[in-house]
Amino acid sequence: QQQVKQSPQSLIVQKGGISIINCAYENTAFDYFPWYQQFPGKGPALLIAIRPDVSEKKEGRFTISFNKSAKQFSLHIMDSQPGDSATYFCAASAQGAQKLVFGQGTRLTINP
Amino acid sequence: EAGVVQSPRYKIIEKKQPVAFWCNPISGHNTLYWYLQNLGQGPELLIRYENEEAVDDSQLPKDRFSAERLKGVDSTLKIQPAELGDSAVYLCASSLGSPYNEQFFGPGTRLTVL
Repeated sequence: QQQVKQSPQSLIVQKGGISIINCAYENTAFDYFPWYQQFPGKGPALLIAIRPDVSEKKEGRFTISFNKSAKQFSLHIMDSQPGDSATYFCAASAQGAQKLVFGQGTRLTINP
Repeated sequence: EAGVVQSPRYKIIEKKQPVAFWCNPISGHNTLYWYLQNLGQGPELLIRYENEEAVDDSQLPKDRFSAERLKGVDSTLKIQPAELGDSAVYLCASSLGSPYNEQFFGPGTRLTVL
């Protein structure tokens, strides 16, 4: 019940396209859903986060869509750029941001 | 503002040897986390500190792993003895500790056990 399942494992998108990564969870006590971006040799960095009182949050080219009834949330990257090539992790927490459970990660490659 | 500092960045040891990792969190961050990240996987929480107190160590393998956070600032994670399966990246993160505050991650220490 503590798991967060992420898909796909890897994704290749053409420059300018839309990248979509999906996550699903079981624990209805989760109340914080962040997405992290990780470059090789670096630690994860927070990209965008959402709480379940809203269904969508947009920051620049990055949007989280949240479906509480389906227990699913997704990351959309619009106008994907080669610099977006990285590994993306969804996460969830039942105690604010203090105990994060991470998905397995998606390796995103943006082809120029 | 300086980020989370970890050292060493890389460590190679023989199995059964001890190893220690050091973390200096962002100034003023009272909450500190140690995570384990296996290759191709997401980070997994090992232990969380609120100031000097370990408030969540349920995932820490206490037979060989230990951690301390003296004076509520720097922290050290130790493995003794190391096993082949301990090869991974050990990440340290810190936050202001209030619910929904962002966790800032360090670059990690990549451990290889031979």
